[in-house]
Amino acid sequence: KQEVTQIPAALSVPEGENLVLNCSFTDSAIYNLQWFRQDPGKGLTSLLLIQSSQREQTSGRLNASLDKSSGRSTLYIAASQPGDSATYLCAVKAAGNKLTFGGGTRVLVKP
Amino acid sequence: ETGVTQSPTHLIKTRGQQVTLRCSSQSGHNTVSWYQQALGQGPQFIFQYYREEENGRGNFPPRFSGLQFPNYSSELNVNALELDDSALYLCASSLPDKGIGGYTFGSGTRLTVV
Repeated sequence: KQEVTQIPAALSVPEGENLVLNCSFTDSAIYNLQWFRQDPGKGLTSLLLIQSSQREQTSGRLNASLDKSSGRSTLYIAASQPGDSATYLCAVKAAGNKLTFGGGTRVLVKP
Repeated sequence: ETGVTQSPTHLIKTRGQQVTLRCSSQSGHNTVSWYQQALGQGPQFIFQYYREEENGRGNFPPRFSGLQFPNYSSELNVNALELDDSALYLCASSLPDKGIGGYTFGSGTRLTVV
């Protein structure tokens, strides 16, 4: 059974600092991994999608890496801003037509 | 291109009642999945619909059921509501692309059972 873990559960940083969010999964037989952002009480906004054959994806200040063999992904957010405050969720897609999510990392960027 | 839309946004029901939540998929997406997200946790997979048939189910009891319509929109029905059913219900649409595609999520329906 696939299990996804995100550590830390919460993170507080001063504005301008780089953010590093970690995601680990137990079964490396995945199709892809997707990072989402969730604002309080809202739905999920997709940030980056990394296929199992890829090592990383970049979009603006965001960069996500994937090491499938070790079951790890890292989301980097450069030069954090107060608007980056949200919960960040990673999810892996494998056989069975479903996403398996981690518990999320709640990020607070202080001005 | 329209995204995934869900209705209603908020709902309050009494224990034992039944509820129907609705979802319209993103244009061009013919696969719809439903997730339950309890407060402070990651979403949990309920089920997925493709071509109007259930195409995968998570660890949820039969009182959670669904439908998909020819226009790819979908409904989630929950019977005999329990207090623990209080959660954010998320709908996601995707393409049946042998696993490689991503998911687009709606804004969710916040269900409170009292």
